[in-house]
Amino acid sequence: QTVVTQEPSFSVSPGGTVTLTCGLSSGSVSTSHYSSWYQQTPGQAPRTLIYSTNTRSSGVPDRFSGSILGNKATLTITGAQADDESDYYCVLYMGSGIWVFGGGTKLTVL
Amino acid sequence: EVQLVESGGGLIQPGGSLRLSCAASGFTVSNSYMTWVRQAPGKGLEWVSVIYGGSGTYYADSVKGRFTISRDNSKNTLYLQMNSLRAEDTAVYYCARLGRSSSGYHYFDYWGQGTLVTVSS
Repeated sequence: QTVVTQEPSFSVSPGGTVTLTCGLSSGSVSTSHYSSWYQQTPGQAPRTLIYSTNTRSSGVPDRFSGSILGNKATLTITGAQADDESDYYCVLYMGSGIWVFGGGTKLTVL
Repeated sequence: EVQLVESGGGLIQPGGSLRLSCAASGFTVSNSYMTWVRQAPGKGLEWVSVIYGGSGTYYADSVKGRFTISRDNSKNTLYLQMNSLRAEDTAVYYCARLGRSSSGYHYFDYWGQGTLVTVSS
């Protein structure tokens, strides 16, 4: 079974830039995987950040951006702020009705 | 305004059954793709199931044959019937709508606040 991979943790300085990745244990991520990104803080429901690879959801600041680089989907935060400290999840569509979330990345801003 | 409100969670013994509900407002579930996503304590998100606008349904391997997704259009409500529950099914269960972008790509656009299911003796 294909696994969606994410960095378990990442650290960024306030004002810095960080790129989180979302890959596949076998193969490359493409637009046909409908990659999207979600932010979650403890005790809260996920919040939609990016969909269709690079479209920001309503109300999401433009410091968040998405793309496909090489064989992975990426989420880049430019000018990180303290309240960006959260868990970030990507999800990919595998076809045949099946979706798979990555394990999530815990982002620390310090 | 779109809202999703889950209910039906609780403490259940292993092997038992539970039905979760997700009441929707601000849109029609019969015309929408609807999903369930769960999160075990301290763990990541796990996609569970989806129901399409017709009647197509799909499940993660971990729940296939034990869980059934359905909806009641008259009540604008999504359900998840969970049978043969195991300790590893313990999680917060979220319902989410699968929206569609202008380019035709689907994504999880609205989420409920979740309901906790605890499977324990």
